Amino acid sequence: GQNIDQPTEMTATEGAIVQINCTYQTSGFNGLFWYQQHAGEAPTFLSYNVLDGLEEKGRFSSFLSRSKGYSYLLLKELQMKDSASYLCAVRDPTGGSYIPTFGRGTSLIVHP
Amino acid sequence: DAGVTQSPTHLIKTRGQQVTLRCSPKSGHDTVSWYQQALGQGPQFIFQYYEEEERQRGNFPDRFSGHQFPNYSSELNVNALLLGDSALYLCASSLGGASGNTIYFGEGSWLTVV
Repeated sequence: GQNIDQPTEMTATEGAIVQINCTYQTSGFNGLFWYQQHAGEAPTFLSYNVLDGLEEKGRFSSFLSRSKGYSYLLLKELQMKDSASYLCAVRDPTGGSYIPTFGRGTSLIVHP
Repeated sequence: DAGVTQSPTHLIKTRGQQVTLRCSPKSGHDTVSWYQQALGQGPQFIFQYYEEEERQRGNFPDRFSGHQFPNYSSELNVNALLLGDSALYLCASSLGGASGNTIYFGEGSWLTVV
């Protein structure tokens, strides 16, 4: 089976840095995705990690540790528009499936 | 370059009715997946179509069925609607079957069952 855990909600101040954690327990592993979803909108792709380490993309960075079943999304210089839900998804190829399983998402609230 | 497009954007149906949702994948993509997202939850995988065949299926009853056309567009059909089917239905496209690394979502179809 698959189990993906994220905090339900986080708050942060504009201009600050926030780290959103994701832990997973899967039989196998073939990549971890982060998506951003604004209320009432579709998820948009942020990052994909398949190897250990940090991937940086502008204000957003994503880290993966496969041995610990752990990832985080780091958002720097927070802006009000970063208020959204952040979804962690893990792909487990066990049984021949390459479909990512999504966590429940972390609702981030950025306040002035 | 057109992204993933879905229709309709919003619809209201009565319990017991049937609904068809449509999706056109991103230009150049050949694989379509459908997800159901209830309020406050992450997307739940329904099924995936590749080369006009259902290749993967999630834990959804047979009331949920689909189709992929030669132009890669897809339909999701839900029969005998239940109140619990009220959700955002997301279509996602990718390239190269199940192992595509980047999945793009459409804006979704909001279904309300009353």
